[in-house]
Amino acid sequence: NAGVMQNPRHLVRRRGQEARLRCSPMKGHSHVYWYRQLPEEGLKFMVYLQKENIIDESGMPKERFSAEFPKEGPSILRIQQVVRGDSAAYFCASSPAPGQDEKLFFGSGTQLSVL
Amino acid sequence: LAKTTQPISMDSYEGQEVNITCSHNNIATNDYITWYQQFPSQGPRFIIQGYKTKVTNEVASLFIPADRKSSTLSLPRVSLSDTAVYYCLVGPDYNTDKLIFGTGTRLQVFP
Repeated sequence: NAGVMQNPRHLVRRRGQEARLRCSPMKGHSHVYWYRQLPEEGLKFMVYLQKENIIDESGMPKERFSAEFPKEGPSILRIQQVVRGDSAAYFCASSPAPGQDEKLFFGSGTQLSVL
Repeated sequence: LAKTTQPISMDSYEGQEVNITCSHNNIATNDYITWYQQFPSQGPRFIIQGYKTKVTNEVASLFIPADRKSSTLSLPRVSLSDTAVYYCLVGPDYNTDKLIFGTGTRLQVFP
């Protein structure tokens, strides 16, 4: 009965390095959301994906950020050439299918710290 | 996309009933109203969802008036462990299905 799994739980990177955040959705879920959260703030939508397809990436910066959800394997949020402002908690959520009564199931998040 | 407005923070004491109201004046006909709870350093957790009137589960009740322009999450007899941030969501967006979180309400329960 595994829930949404995110790893790593904590990730430390130096400025200019790459960060890869992984998210394995719940079994049977085909849709994944990524959100970013700064301390004491709400969750900011980044990207919405289904397998092999990006549905909405309007919340993701145009440069350095990319996301994928391949047919096999976890969803990956990739941040190239990280800067200090990328330090945040990144949460992944999955849902079985879109619908007006859609419910999201969240992982425990990845805390990214950029030195 | 329907926008939501909630109080930034609320204080309560153990054993009291807490009501958190969310305004969503431009809610669409097909939109559901969903509430999530988030503890520090954890991902949000689904609490309750409704479309109209009243919904109750083992955790909370959700009251939705006939015009659906607001909703109230009711937590009966709160305890210290209910201290968290509570988010009200409306949607998802009809065209893209994305779900947008607002700033949430930070509930602090005191002994």
